[in-house]
Amino acid sequence: GAVVSQHPSWVICKSGTSVKIECRSLDFQATTMFWYRQFPKQSLMLMATSNEGSKATYEQGVEKDKFLINHASLTLSTLTVTSAHPEDSSFYICSARDRRQETQYFGPGTRLLVL
Amino acid sequence: KQEVTQIPAALSVPEGENLVLNCSFTDSAIYNLQWFRQDPGKGLTSLLLIQSSQREQTSGRLNASLDKSSGRSTLYIAASQPGDSATYLCAVRRASGSRLTFGEGTQLTVNP
Repeated sequence: GAVVSQHPSWVICKSGTSVKIECRSLDFQATTMFWYRQFPKQSLMLMATSNEGSKATYEQGVEKDKFLINHASLTLSTLTVTSAHPEDSSFYICSARDRRQETQYFGPGTRLLVL
Repeated sequence: KQEVTQIPAALSVPEGENLVLNCSFTDSAIYNLQWFRQDPGKGLTSLLLIQSSQREQTSGRLNASLDKSSGRSTLYIAASQPGDSATYLCAVRRASGSRLTFGEGTQLTVNP
Protein backbone atom coordinates (compact mmCIF):
# COMPACT_ATOMS: atom_id res chain seq x y z
CA GLY A 1 0.00 0.00 0.00
CA ALA A 2 0.89 3.64 -0.23
CA VAL A 3 3.39 5.00 2.27
CA VAL A 4 3.24 8.21 4.23
CA SER A 5 6.21 9.23 6.33
CA GLN A 6 6.55 11.73 9.14
CA HIS A 7 9.61 13.36 10.56
CA PRO A 8 10.56 13.54 13.32
CA SER A 9 8.93 10.58 15.02
CA TRP A 10 9.29 12.28 18.37
CA VAL A 11 10.49 15.63 19.59
CA ILE A 12 11.08 17.28 22.95
CA CYS A 13 11.28 21.04 23.06
CA LYS A 14 11.25 23.91 25.51
CA SER A 15 8.19 26.02 26.04
CA GLY A 16 8.14 29.00 23.68
CA THR A 17 10.03 27.39 20.85
CA SER A 18 8.60 26.37 17.48
CA VAL A 19 8.56 22.86 16.13
CA LYS A 20 8.14 21.78 12.52
CA ILE A 21 6.78 18.36 11.56
CA GLU A 22 7.08 17.07 8.01
CA CYS A 23 4.69 14.72 6.27
CA ARG A 24 5.58 13.11 2.97
CA SER A 25 3.74 10.82 0.60
CA LEU A 26 6.46 8.56 -0.70
CA ASP A 27 4.93 6.78 -3.66
CA PHE A 28 1.90 8.78 -4.70
CA GLN A 29 0.82 12.35 -5.24
CA ALA A 30 -1.28 13.63 -2.38
CA THR A 31 -3.64 16.32 -3.53
CA THR A 32 -5.11 16.51 -0.04
CA MET A 33 -3.34 16.15 3.28
CA PHE A 34 -4.81 16.13 6.76
CA TRP A 35 -3.38 16.85 10.18
CA TYR A 36 -4.79 15.14 13.24
CA ARG A 37 -4.13 15.33 16.91
CA GLN A 38 -4.67 12.40 19.23
CA PHE A 39 -4.84 12.39 23.00
CA PRO A 40 -4.21 9.22 25.01
CA LYS A 41 -6.95 6.62 24.63
CA GLN A 42 -8.96 8.88 22.36
CA SER A 43 -9.73 8.87 18.69
CA LEU A 44 -8.21 11.22 16.15
CA MET A 45 -9.21 14.87 16.14
CA LEU A 46 -8.98 16.57 12.76
CA MET A 47 -7.07 19.84 13.00
CA ALA A 48 -6.92 20.98 9.39
CA THR A 49 -7.18 19.95 5.77
CA SER A 50 -4.76 21.20 3.18
CA ASN A 51 -4.88 21.05 -0.58
CA GLU A 52 -1.73 21.45 -2.59
CA GLY A 53 -1.05 25.04 -3.45
CA SER A 54 -3.84 26.54 -1.38
CA LYS A 55 -4.35 27.62 2.20
CA ALA A 56 -5.32 25.06 4.78
CA THR A 57 -8.84 24.83 6.12
CA TYR A 58 -8.81 24.69 9.91
CA GLU A 59 -11.38 23.02 12.11
CA GLN A 60 -13.31 25.06 14.60
CA GLY A 61 -11.28 25.77 17.69
CA VAL A 62 -7.89 25.21 16.05
CA GLU A 63 -5.73 28.33 16.02
CA LYS A 64 -4.34 28.81 12.54
CA ASP A 65 -1.66 31.22 13.77
CA LYS A 66 -0.44 28.65 16.24
CA PHE A 67 -0.55 25.62 13.98
CA LEU A 68 0.90 26.72 10.66
CA ILE A 69 0.31 24.32 7.80
CA ASN A 70 2.03 24.45 4.46
CA HIS A 71 1.27 22.11 1.56
CA ALA A 72 3.82 23.34 -0.94
CA SER A 73 4.01 20.28 -3.16
CA LEU A 74 2.08 17.15 -4.00
CA THR A 75 4.30 15.09 -1.72
CA LEU A 76 5.04 17.34 1.24
CA SER A 77 3.05 19.07 3.93
CA THR A 78 4.43 20.65 7.09
CA LEU A 79 2.87 21.49 10.43
CA THR A 80 4.65 24.09 12.54
CA VAL A 81 3.63 24.44 16.16
CA THR A 82 4.60 28.00 17.02
CA SER A 83 5.47 29.16 20.52
CA ALA A 84 4.76 25.70 21.87
CA HIS A 85 3.33 25.29 25.36
CA PRO A 86 3.06 22.15 27.51
CA GLU A 87 -0.62 21.79 26.58
CA ASP A 88 0.46 21.33 22.96
CA SER A 89 2.10 18.07 23.95
CA SER A 90 0.32 15.39 22.00
CA PHE A 91 0.54 12.82 19.24
CA TYR A 92 0.26 14.43 15.80
CA ILE A 93 -0.64 12.30 12.80
CA CYS A 94 -0.73 13.33 9.19
CA SER A 95 -2.70 11.66 6.45
CA ALA A 96 -2.75 11.88 2.69
CA ARG A 97 -5.20 11.07 -0.04
CA ASP A 98 -4.40 10.46 -3.68
CA ARG A 99 -6.00 12.08 -6.69
CA ARG A 100 -8.73 9.46 -6.88
CA GLN A 101 -9.79 10.49 -3.36
CA GLU A 102 -10.33 6.93 -2.30
CA THR A 103 -8.22 5.35 0.41
CA GLN A 104 -6.67 7.66 2.97
CA TYR A 105 -3.19 6.74 4.19
CA PHE A 106 -1.75 7.72 7.52
CA GLY A 107 1.74 8.52 8.69
CA PRO A 108 3.33 6.88 11.74
CA GLY A 109 2.76 9.94 13.91
CA THR A 110 4.96 12.41 15.76
CA ARG A 111 4.98 12.55 19.52
CA LEU A 112 5.59 16.08 20.79
CA LEU A 113 6.54 16.82 24.37
CA VAL A 114 6.83 20.45 25.40
CA LEU A 115 8.65 21.04 28.66
CA LYS B 1 -23.93 15.69 11.67
CA GLN B 2 -22.50 12.23 11.15
CA GLU B 3 -21.74 10.27 14.32
CA VAL B 4 -19.84 7.01 14.36
CA THR B 5 -20.08 4.59 17.26
CA GLN B 6 -18.01 1.49 17.89
CA ILE B 7 -19.04 -1.29 20.21
CA PRO B 8 -17.51 -2.70 22.30
CA ALA B 9 -14.95 -0.15 23.46
CA ALA B 10 -12.69 -2.96 24.57
CA LEU B 11 -12.58 -6.67 23.95
CA SER B 12 -10.37 -9.42 25.32
CA VAL B 13 -10.44 -12.88 23.76
CA PRO B 14 -8.34 -16.04 23.84
CA GLU B 15 -6.17 -16.86 20.89
CA GLY B 16 -7.91 -18.71 18.07
CA GLU B 17 -11.34 -17.23 18.66
CA ASN B 18 -13.34 -15.66 15.85
CA LEU B 19 -14.62 -12.21 16.71
CA VAL B 20 -16.75 -9.37 15.41
CA LEU B 21 -16.24 -5.66 15.89
CA ASN B 22 -19.18 -3.37 15.31
CA CYS B 23 -19.43 0.09 13.82
CA SER B 24 -22.59 2.13 13.40
CA PHE B 25 -23.16 5.51 11.79
CA THR B 26 -26.12 7.84 11.99
CA ASP B 27 -26.24 9.15 8.42
CA SER B 28 -26.57 6.36 5.87
CA ALA B 29 -25.62 8.63 2.98
CA ILE B 30 -21.97 7.67 2.91
CA TYR B 31 -19.45 7.46 0.11
CA ASN B 32 -17.27 4.78 1.66
CA LEU B 33 -16.23 3.27 4.97
CA GLN B 34 -12.72 2.38 6.01
CA TRP B 35 -11.41 0.15 8.79
CA PHE B 36 -8.06 0.95 10.36
CA ARG B 37 -5.75 -0.63 12.87
CA GLN B 38 -3.65 1.40 15.31
CA ASP B 39 -0.90 -0.08 17.42
CA PRO B 40 0.11 1.79 20.61
CA GLY B 41 2.08 4.92 19.81
CA LYS B 42 1.80 4.36 16.08
CA GLY B 43 -0.13 5.77 13.16
CA LEU B 44 -3.07 4.12 11.45
CA THR B 45 -2.85 1.23 9.05
CA SER B 46 -5.65 0.90 6.53
CA LEU B 47 -7.18 -2.58 6.63
CA LEU B 48 -10.18 -2.51 4.35
CA LEU B 49 -12.15 0.05 2.38
CA ILE B 50 -15.75 -0.58 1.36
CA GLN B 51 -17.43 1.60 -1.20
CA SER B 52 -21.07 2.50 -0.61
CA SER B 53 -22.13 0.20 -3.45
CA GLN B 54 -20.34 -2.79 -1.95
CA ARG B 55 -21.55 -5.23 0.68
CA GLU B 56 -18.24 -6.60 1.89
CA GLN B 57 -14.50 -6.73 1.45
CA THR B 58 -12.06 -9.44 2.45
CA SER B 59 -8.36 -9.46 3.14
CA GLY B 60 -6.82 -12.59 4.59
CA ARG B 61 -8.47 -13.33 7.93
CA LEU B 62 -10.38 -10.08 7.86
CA ASN B 63 -13.83 -9.56 6.44
CA ALA B 64 -15.70 -6.28 6.58
CA SER B 65 -19.37 -5.96 5.76
CA LEU B 66 -21.46 -2.90 5.11
CA ASP B 67 -25.22 -2.45 5.48
CA LYS B 68 -25.66 1.14 4.46
CA SER B 69 -29.41 1.25 4.94
CA SER B 70 -29.15 0.27 8.59
CA GLY B 71 -26.00 2.32 9.16
CA ARG B 72 -23.82 -0.59 10.22
CA SER B 73 -20.54 -2.22 9.42
CA THR B 74 -18.83 -5.18 11.02
CA LEU B 75 -15.22 -6.30 10.98
CA TYR B 76 -14.88 -10.04 11.34
CA ILE B 77 -11.52 -11.44 12.41
CA ALA B 78 -11.08 -15.16 11.99
CA ALA B 79 -8.78 -17.30 14.11
CA SER B 80 -7.48 -14.37 16.14
CA GLN B 81 -3.79 -14.16 17.06
CA PRO B 82 -1.91 -12.20 19.73
CA GLY B 83 -0.50 -10.07 16.92
CA ASP B 84 -4.02 -8.86 16.20
CA SER B 85 -4.01 -6.97 19.50
CA ALA B 86 -4.49 -3.30 18.65
CA THR B 87 -7.14 -0.61 18.50
CA TYR B 88 -9.48 -0.90 15.53
CA LEU B 89 -11.07 2.23 14.16
CA CYS B 90 -13.81 2.62 11.61
CA ALA B 91 -14.34 5.81 9.68
CA VAL B 92 -16.91 6.96 7.15
CA ARG B 93 -16.74 9.50 4.37
CA ARG B 94 -19.84 11.40 3.27
CA ALA B 95 -18.70 12.21 -0.23
CA SER B 96 -15.67 11.91 -2.45
CA GLY B 97 -13.09 14.38 -1.20
CA SER B 98 -14.76 14.98 2.16
CA ARG B 99 -13.22 14.26 5.54
CA LEU B 100 -13.31 11.01 7.45
CA THR B 101 -15.47 10.79 10.55
CA PHE B 102 -13.97 8.38 13.04
CA GLY B 103 -15.44 6.19 15.72
CA GLU B 104 -13.79 6.00 19.13
CA GLY B 105 -12.30 2.61 18.37
CA THR B 106 -12.36 -0.86 19.86
CA GLN B 107 -9.29 -1.92 21.83
CA LEU B 108 -8.71 -5.60 21.13
CA THR B 109 -6.52 -7.87 23.22
CA VAL B 110 -5.90 -11.42 22.07
CA ASN B 111 -4.43 -13.52 24.85
CA PRO B 112 -2.05 -16.36 24.05
